[in-house]
Amino acid sequence: AQTVTQSQPEMSVQEAETVTLSCTYDTSESDYYLFWYKQPPSRQMILVIRQEAYKQQNATENRFSVNFQKAAKSFSLKISDSQLGDAAMYFCAYRTAVEIKAAGNKLTFGGGTRVLVKP
Amino acid sequence: DTGVSQDPRHKITKRGQNVTFRCDPISEHNRLYWYRQTLGQGPEFLTYFQNEAQLEKSRLLSDRFSAERPKGSFSTLEIQRTEQGDSAMYLCASSFRRTQYFGPGTRLTVL
Repeated sequence: AQTVTQSQPEMSVQEAETVTLSCTYDTSESDYYLFWYKQPPSRQMILVIRQEAYKQQNATENRFSVNFQKAAKSFSLKISDSQLGDAAMYFCAYRTAVEIKAAGNKLTFGGGTRVLVKP
Repeated sequence: DTGVSQDPRHKITKRGQNVTFRCDPISEHNRLYWYRQTLGQGPEFLTYFQNEAQLEKSRLLSDRFSAERPKGSFSTLEIQRTEQGDSAMYLCASSFRRTQYFGPGTRLTVL
């Protein structure tokens, strides 16, 4: 079974600075997807960024970028130019890329990292 | 609003009562998922539907839990004889392919 580990329960960053969140995972598969989701306080979870394991290029979405190290099974998220609205719980998630209809390709989540942004 | 919606947003019940939650997925999404999230933790998978067929259930889903998705549209999650340990956020997500989109969740408190 796949497992996802986020070793930082909480990270604090100054507004306009950069913060990096770590995520490691364990899998025997070679083809899979990795995601970062953001969950603001009392609000719904939204997708931040997605990475396909077969792509060597790291995904980027505006101020958010990832450092995907497949051999190390590491998938960190960098938030640049942090804004007050970035304060939230961030979850790393894994999904197999093999389309298994009976399994549904469920997400396996890490425990989350709380990001605090100081003005 | 064309996102995933869930109803109710909050539910307070007494131990032993039955509760039912509803999820309306994004209209063109054929896959629907239920997750449970306890305070300070990541979501854990409960069950999955492809269209109207329930194709996978987690071991977390005891026999007090039942889920349906009639006609492959909305889904309901029922918990019978609630226990204090059932207190959690229940999240619904839908997808067409790779990416799951989440609803706002239903927060259940069992007194």
